Amino acid sequence: QKEVEQNSGPLSVPEGAIASLNCTYSDRGSQSFFWYRQYSGKSPELIMFIYSNGDKEDGRFTAQLNKASQYVSLLIRDSQPSDSATYLCAGASSGSNYQLIWGAGTKLIIKP
Amino acid sequence: DGGITQSPKYLFRKEGQNVTLSCEQNLNHDAMYWYRQDPGQGLRLIYYSQIVNDFQKGDIAEGYSVSREKKESFPLTVTSAQKNPTAFYLCASSNSGRSNQPQHFGDGTRLSIL
Repeated sequence: QKEVEQNSGPLSVPEGAIASLNCTYSDRGSQSFFWYRQYSGKSPELIMFIYSNGDKEDGRFTAQLNKASQYVSLLIRDSQPSDSATYLCAGASSGSNYQLIWGAGTKLIIKP
Repeated sequence: DGGITQSPKYLFRKEGQNVTLSCEQNLNHDAMYWYRQDPGQGLRLIYYSQIVNDFQKGDIAEGYSVSREKKESFPLTVTSAQKNPTAFYLCASSNSGRSNQPQHFGDGTRLSIL
């Protein structure tokens, strides 16, 4: 059973600090990973995607991928109360060219 | 503005009733997806379609049906065979059906049993 695991949280971070969200995956063949933000009662919104080992930065967000350790992370710098949401991690299934495997999400709370 | 439109936003189903959820996109995307989300859980794939007139079952297709007669439209019918339909239903699309393509979501439909 291919899985993507996330700590459900909540993860509480002070405003202005770095929030670090982590995700591990079991499918060693997964090549592409996606981070989505989901506010309570709303639909998921794509934040970042990463295909290669290493870091990818976009504004306050940095995605990190370590394929050897099967580990993906999302760092949010200068955290704002508006970053409070559930963050979903998804990985492309190597068994199917058309499906994503989704984690259950980590709830992030930014405290003013 | 390009996007994905789901309707209705809220839907109530009576016992033994079939209901249809609408999903329309004007992004010119080839692939479309239906997911179900239950509280505190991740997304579970119901059906997906890579091209017009073709679709495949996802992990939880039982009690659901779809059609893909037009590139822009991918309606989902929740049949009376689905005994626990209360959930948040999300429609998504991507440029192609390849799993390395980001998926973009509509605003969702909340379905409840009367």
